[in-house]
Amino acid sequence: EADIYQTPRYLVIGTGKKITLECSQTMGHDKMYWYQQDPGMELHLIHYSYGVNSTEKGDLSSESTVSRIRTEHFPLTLESARPSHTSQYLCASSEERGGNYGYTFGSGTRLTVV
Amino acid sequence: QKEVEQNSGPLSVPEGAIASLNCTYSDRVSQSFFWYRQYSGKSPELIMSIYSNGDKEDGRFTAQLNKASQYVSLLIRDSQPSDSATYLCAVSNFNKFYFGSGTKLNVKP
Repeated sequence: EADIYQTPRYLVIGTGKKITLECSQTMGHDKMYWYQQDPGMELHLIHYSYGVNSTEKGDLSSESTVSRIRTEHFPLTLESARPSHTSQYLCASSEERGGNYGYTFGSGTRLTVV
Repeated sequence: QKEVEQNSGPLSVPEGAIASLNCTYSDRVSQSFFWYRQYSGKSPELIMSIYSNGDKEDGRFTAQLNKASQYVSLLIRDSQPSDSATYLCAVSNFNKFYFGSGTKLNVKP
């Protein structure tokens, strides 16, 4: 079944640690996105990619980085985690024609930095 | 001015009533419009999409689009407590995709 997967589902990590949040999709979508969302708050776009070797920063400044070496894989890395990074991180993908087909979201990673 | 505006709510309706959620957008050339439902602590899920003026019905959900007035709405008939969630309006124009901040809906038994 075509889907989008995020791991881990929950992560508690100490300050200063390097972490990578994984996102993979099996739908062959060219476009992928990372959003950050605090509880009860709106979605903020932090990174997006329109294809392999293409990555861009989103509307919200973020200390994270992303890579897109394979179409299906779009990991997000924090080199040195801080308590201010505590949030939910949502990965999404869409077809090449973007908005005409809407976004499909993964189940999210809830990150807590202590 | 935000690209997509929604009343944050909460909107409270009794079980069995019609819930009406509204959204306005600023970009006149927007082409595609979506409603997402997000339960607390979960990720958004797409429930409706609409591309042309008028109404589109899917079960208890009806999306309405008026491009001249730049608004899109979602009606939920026979509201159930399980419909209690935050509803996000999203608008797309070519490569740009914008989410509203969401309207929280409470359906009271």
